[in-house]
Amino acid sequence: GQNIDQPTEMTATEGAIVQINCTYQTSGFNGLFWYQQHAGEAPTFLSYNVLDGLEEKGRFSSFLSRSKGYSYLLLKELQMKDSASYLCAVQDSNYQLIWGAGTKLIIKP
Amino acid sequence: ETGVTQTPRHLVMGMTNKKSLKCEQHLGHNAMYWYKQSAKKPLELMFVYNFKEQTENNSVPSRFSPECPNSSHLFLHLHTLQPEDSALYLCASSGTAGGYSPLHFGNGTRLTVT
Repeated sequence: GQNIDQPTEMTATEGAIVQINCTYQTSGFNGLFWYQQHAGEAPTFLSYNVLDGLEEKGRFSSFLSRSKGYSYLLLKELQMKDSASYLCAVQDSNYQLIWGAGTKLIIKP
Repeated sequence: ETGVTQTPRHLVMGMTNKKSLKCEQHLGHNAMYWYKQSAKKPLELMFVYNFKEQTENNSVPSRFSPECPNSSHLFLHLHTLQPEDSALYLCASSGTAGGYSPLHFGNGTRLTVT
């Protein structure tokens, strides 16, 4: 079957750096997405990786290794507003999105 | 108004009621989706419409009935639901179904079935 694994919950300190990992086993691969979802709000698109390597967008970066079935989302200079759930999703060979259960990130002062 | 708008935000209904969820997108997208989100579980895709045609029905029980009158509007008609159907129902849109086209989500309808 198809599966996405990410940690259920992580805690980090304001101003620090945190890395949220995502491992996947899917039928084919056509890209990996990261979304952010604040409590009670809509998920919003953060990043997309289809080739190996690092994509940087301001304080957020996303890395992909297709051979290892692995991605991470790196958040730098953490702010209280970064407290949210982070969802990893992979497009399989049929362009179906397979979702992880999300990682709840708690930022402490 | 921009983005994806869902109404109502909250809905409480009995198991014998009939209600409808509404979704509207102002992004000029051609694909619309219904997802179910339950606590600590992955998003579950329910239905996909691409250019108003239903392209995906992910083994959803018939007590959920989608309707897509045009590319901007999507409805989810609910009848004789079960308590386990209580969840957050998210609508999303994208340029087209498949390919590189990030989803744009609405804020969801929090449904409670009593």
